[in-house]
Amino acid sequence: AQKVTQAQTEISVVEKEDVTLDCVYETRDTTYYLFWYKQPPSGELVFLIRRNSFDEQNEISGRYSWNFQKSTSSFNFTITASQVVDSAVYFCALSEAIGGSTLGRLYFGRGTQLTVWP
Amino acid sequence: GAVVSQHPSRVICKSGTSVKIECRSLDFQATTMFWYRQFPKQSLMLMATSNEGSKATYEQGVEKDKFLINHASLTLSTLTVTSAHPEDSSFYICSATPGLASDTQYFGPGTRLTVL
Repeated sequence: AQKVTQAQTEISVVEKEDVTLDCVYETRDTTYYLFWYKQPPSGELVFLIRRNSFDEQNEISGRYSWNFQKSTSSFNFTITASQVVDSAVYFCALSEAIGGSTLGRLYFGRGTQLTVWP
Repeated sequence: GAVVSQHPSRVICKSGTSVKIECRSLDFQATTMFWYRQFPKQSLMLMATSNEGSKATYEQGVEKDKFLINHASLTLSTLTVTSAHPEDSSFYICSATPGLASDTQYFGPGTRLTVL
């Protein structure tokens, strides 16, 4: 069965601090996708990143970076020099890959509420 | 990028009435659409998966007769909450995928339902 665990329910930091959001997943599939989404107070999900199970390269996009480690089944997300606008709920999600590539249903973690104080 | 819309964005209704929520893929054909439900400060829980032209597949614990899903075309899926009750108040989000060989799921902006 698929499962995503985000152990941190809430995190508070002061602006300009770095913060890492943890995500641990469980799956028996060899081919799968991992995602991070941002949900601001408006409610709309904002896609941040998709990573397939065969690509363990870490990725950096501006102030965002992701660390994918299959050995520990983790896909952690780091925001450097956090800003007030980063305040939101962040969800990690896992999807099976149907037929090797087609996206199946998403399994979401419980989310981490990040609050960045000025 | 691909756009998915939902209508209405907010709805308030009286207990016992039915509410229909529309999910549209605006610039692609969505062979599969998903409906999620999110309670305050909680995660998104999948309610059902619908494929165009066939019956929806509901997750365990989701009442088929209460949450009617129709996916009659490749660009439109509807969720009807029948005989709504206050406990049905929630944030409903749809997502759509083009289907074969698609590794992307596009989310709608969500519909906030309040049942009085």
